[in-house]
Amino acid sequence: AQTVTQSQPEMSVQEAETVTLSCTYDTSESDYYLFWYKQPPSRQMILVIRQEAYKQQNATENRFSVNFQKAAKSFSLKISDSQLGDAAMYFCAYRSAEIKAAGNKLTFGGGTRVLVKP
Amino acid sequence: GAGVSQSPRYKVAKRGQDVALRCDPISGHVSLFWYQQALGQGPEFLTYFQNEAQLDKSGLPSDRFFAERPEGSVSTLKIQRTQQEDSAVYLCASSWRRTGKTPDLYNSPLHFGNGTRLTVT
Repeated sequence: AQTVTQSQPEMSVQEAETVTLSCTYDTSESDYYLFWYKQPPSRQMILVIRQEAYKQQNATENRFSVNFQKAAKSFSLKISDSQLGDAAMYFCAYRSAEIKAAGNKLTFGGGTRVLVKP
Repeated sequence: GAGVSQSPRYKVAKRGQDVALRCDPISGHVSLFWYQQALGQGPEFLTYFQNEAQLDKSGLPSDRFFAERPEGSVSTLKIQRTQQEDSAVYLCASSWRRTGKTPDLYNSPLHFGNGTRLTVT
């Protein structure tokens, strides 16, 4: 079974600064996807960024970028030029890319709370 | 609707009561997932539907939990004889609208609802 670990319960960042969230995972599969989701107080999970394991190039979405280290099974998220609206819980998640009849569920980490100071 | 809709948004139940939580997925979405998110933790998988078929229920914590999706659209998660440990946010997610193109059932992104916060007193 796959596991996802986020070792930072909470991170604080000054507005306009950069913060990096850590995520490690454990899997025996070679083909998979990794995600970062944002969960504001509204509780809705919002996809921030996605990385395919077979791609060596790190994914980037505007101010959000990842550092994907497949051999180390590490997948960190960097938020640049932090904004007040970035304050939320952030979850790292794993999803197998192998086609499974029972569906490809997401496995989530425990989350990191990001606080943005004005 | 434009997104996944869940109701009620909040539910308070006395221990021992039965509850039913509703999920309206995005129209046409084939896949539907239920997750349980305890306070301060990440969501944990409960069950998965492909259309009306429940293909994976390995995450349901006990036989008090039951989910259905009889017509392949709206889904209901039912919890019988609720216990305090059932207190959590229950999230629903759907994916993949059937189109004329080759479907990418396993690769399409999940769309989450706002969840139902269940409190058992």
